[in-house]
Amino acid sequence: KQEVTQIPAALSVPEGENLVLNCSFTDSAIYNLQWFRQDPGKGLTSLLLIQSSQREQTSGRLNASLDKSSGRSTLYIAASQPGDSATYLCAVRLGGFKTIFGAGTRLFVKA
Amino acid sequence: DTGVSQNPRHKITKRGQNVTFRCDPISEHNRLYWYRQTLGQGPEFLTYFQNEAQLEKSRLLSDRFSAERPKGSFSTLEIQRTEQGDSAMYLCASSETGLTEAFFGQGTRLTVV
Repeated sequence: KQEVTQIPAALSVPEGENLVLNCSFTDSAIYNLQWFRQDPGKGLTSLLLIQSSQREQTSGRLNASLDKSSGRSTLYIAASQPGDSATYLCAVRLGGFKTIFGAGTRLFVKA
Repeated sequence: DTGVSQNPRHKITKRGQNVTFRCDPISEHNRLYWYRQTLGQGPEFLTYFQNEAQLEKSRLLSDRFSAERPKGSFSTLEIQRTEQGDSAMYLCASSETGLTEAFFGQGTRLTVV
């Protein structure tokens, strides 16, 4: 059974700091991995999608990496801003169209 | 088309009542997914449609839950005889065919009192 774990569960950093969020999964047989952002009480906003054949994807200040063999992905956020405060979720896509989510990392960036 | 739309955004209902939620996916997306999210947890997969066909259902989807996508466009999720444990955020997502990005709606927050 695929399990997705995100560490840390919560993180508080001063504005301007670079940070790394971690995601691990137990079964490397995934089709892709997607990182999402969720603001309180809202839906999910897709940040980056990494296909299983890819190693990383970048969008602006965000960079996500994927190491399928070790079951790990990281989301790197450069020069954090208070507007980055949110919960960040990673999700792995399995065969049969099912997607398994981690519980998320709650990020707070202090001004 | 501005994205996935869900209605209502909030629903408060008494235990035992039936509720129905609607999801309008991005128009060219033929895949539609329903998820449930409880506080402090990631979303949990409920069911998946390819066009009008419901291809997969989670064991979380008890007999009180039913989902439809009658014309392969919008979808409805109905919960019969609601229980307090059904209180959660219900999220809908859509995507194109293939291993493509899933786009989520803003969700419907259900509170059963």
